[in-house]
Amino acid sequence: SQQGEEDPQALSIQEGENATMNCSYKTSINNLQWYRQNSGRGLVHLILIRSNEREKHSGRLRVTLDTSKKSSSLLITASRAADTASYFCATDAVSGNQFYFGTGTSLTVIP
Amino acid sequence: DAGITQSPRHKVTETGTPVTLRCHQTENHRYMYWYRQDPGHGLRLIHYSYGVKDTDKGEVSDGYSVSRSKTEDFLLTLESATSSQTSVYFCAISESIAEAFFGQGTRLTVV
Repeated sequence: SQQGEEDPQALSIQEGENATMNCSYKTSINNLQWYRQNSGRGLVHLILIRSNEREKHSGRLRVTLDTSKKSSSLLITASRAADTASYFCATDAVSGNQFYFGTGTSLTVIP
Repeated sequence: DAGITQSPRHKVTETGTPVTLRCHQTENHRYMYWYRQDPGHGLRLIHYSYGVKDTDKGEVSDGYSVSRSKTEDFLLTLESATSSQTSVYFCAISESIAEAFFGQGTRLTVV
């Protein structure tokens, strides 16, 4: 399987704290993306980082990528209750046009 | 939801019956994907399409077939539904490998 894995599987924090989740993947990639899924909804794209980038920021989101370790992390700063959702990393296969998703991290932000 | 409509949204069917799920897009995106989402497995790619009549298998294609006769429609067929195919099915579209847009999902129960 080319599917990645997120760690931890579940994370519970207080509002205002930072949340960090990690993603490990198995094959060489062109890009890595993070998506959010609210309960009962489809996934929504958050941020993309290319394989030649090491860090990227978007608002309260910070993504890092270490291609030598085949891993990425997503940091959400100053979390809000509305950030409660599942977060997935997705990688593309260098050889094709498919997205492969990880197993997800369930984040709960307690008001 | 980026002009993606999945139908039906919910379906209960009996083991051994054929089932077809429809994904319709109004974005004219080239790529279309079918995923299934199951607890503990995240999203797994079933089939994808890179153009009209151009499709390929994903990680979990056994028991599924697809067709794309028009740019806007991507059909997923379960020829003979089994209980293991009970899942939530998501359609996604993309114009490039940079970002995918997801539908709202179809909850399929095979009894």
